[in-house]
Amino acid sequence: ETGVTQTPRHLVMGMTNKKSLKCEQHLGHNAMYWYKQSAKKPLELMFVYNFKEQTENNSVPSRFSPECPNSSHLFLHLHTLQPEDSALYLCASSQGNRASPSNTEAFFGQGTRLTVV
Amino acid sequence: QKEVEQDPGPLSVPEGAIVSLNCTYSNSAFQYFMWYRQYSRKGPELLMYTYSSGNKEDGRFTAQVDKSSKYISLFIRDSQPSDSATYLCAMGWGAQKLVFGQGTRLTINP
Repeated sequence: ETGVTQTPRHLVMGMTNKKSLKCEQHLGHNAMYWYKQSAKKPLELMFVYNFKEQTENNSVPSRFSPECPNSSHLFLHLHTLQPEDSALYLCASSQGNRASPSNTEAFFGQGTRLTVV
Repeated sequence: QKEVEQDPGPLSVPEGAIVSLNCTYSNSAFQYFMWYRQYSRKGPELLMYTYSSGNKEDGRFTAQVDKSSKYISLFIRDSQPSDSATYLCAMGWGAQKLVFGQGTRLTINP
């Protein structure tokens, strides 16, 4: 496996369900991200992790709960979602570090297409 | 006003045409300017990036940044059907501080 892998590729869940999205990167990067991509809207950054520590939360509702057990894995736990949360959820990674968190390239996974019914 | 404005299209051109994609932005502090390409059912992939103003060329692709006008462009020469995708501009201070445009859906017709 190479690059950034996301599972599942598609997910349909009811508003009362609990599910998790998984992301794994095989690039040796130290920073991982969750983005939300909705139709006709720009990519929205949700969370940033550097060396397993959350360094950014862009006012994301608490029904989205990220978890980063190590630098290679990132999860997004979902519970009591709303239909407007239906979107493509993209995971990305980059070679960030504490001293210089701004690197140029983020590598994206293929995304999980989430539908909330 | 949005920080980054990008015409969503769709844009449809014949094969071989020169394509021009553009974004405007409002934050003069942006330092990195990027273009991502996203094929259907795939994640975005970095196509080109530039630091500060100027031009950058890579094969059939040329990226231009005009910081004085807060305007960036991506030109595709000799466009191919395989270039059909959504093109996202992004800008900021690096991978951890990026603001994306809405994306322009481009179709190259054989």
